[in-house]
Amino acid sequence: KQEVTQIPAALSVPEGENLVLNCSFTDSAIYNLQWFRQDPGKGLTSLLLIQSSQREQTSGRLNASLDKSSGRSTLYIAASQPGDSATYLCAVRFLMNRDDKIIFGKGTRLHILP
Amino acid sequence: DTAVSQTPKYLVTQMGNDKSIKCEQNLGHDTMYWYKQDSKKFLKIMFSYNNKELIINETVPNRFSPKSPDKAHLNLHINSLELGDSAVYFCASSPEGLRPGSEKLFFGSGTQLSVL
Repeated sequence: KQEVTQIPAALSVPEGENLVLNCSFTDSAIYNLQWFRQDPGKGLTSLLLIQSSQREQTSGRLNASLDKSSGRSTLYIAASQPGDSATYLCAVRFLMNRDDKIIFGKGTRLHILP
Repeated sequence: DTAVSQTPKYLVTQMGNDKSIKCEQNLGHDTMYWYKQDSKKFLKIMFSYNNKELIINETVPNRFSPKSPDKAHLNLHINSLELGDSAVYFCASSPEGLRPGSEKLFFGSGTQLSVL
């Protein structure tokens, strides 16, 4: 059974610090992995998409890595800002015989302390 | 110029009622999805659909049915609403077909459904 786990569930970090969010998945047969942020009462915004053939993707202060063999991805946020406070979700698109299957982790709720 | 829009944003209704949530995407995408986010913030896919094929998550009750009048719309109909249906429902779209590719998912802002 494919599962996606994000630890910790919540994280508080002083402004300006670098931080890492973790995502692990149980099956290395994946198509891609996507990181989203969700602000309270709002939808999901895509941050980074890593294809199965890639090791990392970067966008501004964000860097996402993928290690398929160990079933892990990390989202690195540099020089954190209060505006980074949100819930960060990892979504894995698993290889299936027929069906398209995307499974989300439960998210890490990030709070940047001013 | 919203890419994926869904209405209403909030929906409060009584048990047993039938309701619909509308979703529209103006991105020209081939595939649309419905996700349910429960009280523990866990997102779970309900349906994925293009104009050729509907894939249903086997755990979704048949009270839920997607209806697609055209490629840009995928509405969610819910019959005989139950208390446990209370959740946030998200519509999403992606460019490629139902066979997985490398494309991103684009989400609507969600519809918070409260069943009393």
